[in-house]
Amino acid sequence: AQSVTQLGSHVSVSEGALVLLRCNYSSSVPPYLFWYVQYPNQGLQLLLKYTSAATLVKGINGFEAEFKKSETSFHLTKPSAHMSDAAEYFCAVSPSGSARQLTFGSGTQLTVLP
Amino acid sequence: EAQVTQNPRYLITVTGKKLTVTCSQNMNHEYMSWYRQDPGLGLRQIYYSMNVEVTDKGDVPEGYKVSRKEKRNFPLILESPSPNQTSLYFCASSLAQGLGGELFFGEGSRLTVL
Repeated sequence: AQSVTQLGSHVSVSEGALVLLRCNYSSSVPPYLFWYVQYPNQGLQLLLKYTSAATLVKGINGFEAEFKKSETSFHLTKPSAHMSDAAEYFCAVSPSGSARQLTFGSGTQLTVLP
Repeated sequence: EAQVTQNPRYLITVTGKKLTVTCSQNMNHEYMSWYRQDPGLGLRQIYYSMNVEVTDKGDVPEGYKVSRKEKRNFPLILESPSPNQTSLYFCASSLAQGLGGELFFGEGSRLTVL
């Protein structure tokens, strides 16, 4: 069985500062990994995904994530936060890439301070 | 516009009063699923459907029913709602039986059971 741990349910950064949202996973097989973003009063949308190709994955809105097998991590970063990045971010893992086996983390609420 | 549409968006009901949350997608997706989102727990899968007339339980199916008579629709039925089903519900769909893991989400239905 797979699981996802997101460290920090709330993260605050200043506008222009580095964003770092942490995600660690456990999986019995090489996983597919995802980051989804949920803006206020909206559904989730895919930010980026890792599917065993390049370990550094670039997503939308300037976000990227690096797959580190030795650390079982898939942390999300953005060099410079913007006010519009304020949202809840979910890390998710699927052992086979199938959506029916997708397991979500508990989420991290990102606040961007002016 | 490609979208997943849920109705109602907000509902307050009383214990035991049957209700249905509808979900419709216009992307000809084979895979559809229902999640509930609770604070600190992330998203948990209730039921999913790989195609018409093919449904299966997710992680938290108790107290819910679904049906998939048409490809575009996947209603969630609460036969006898209870207060522990107060939650934010999301319908999602995906191409090709969910392979690749990318889900398209509706905007959510916030249900309160008194």
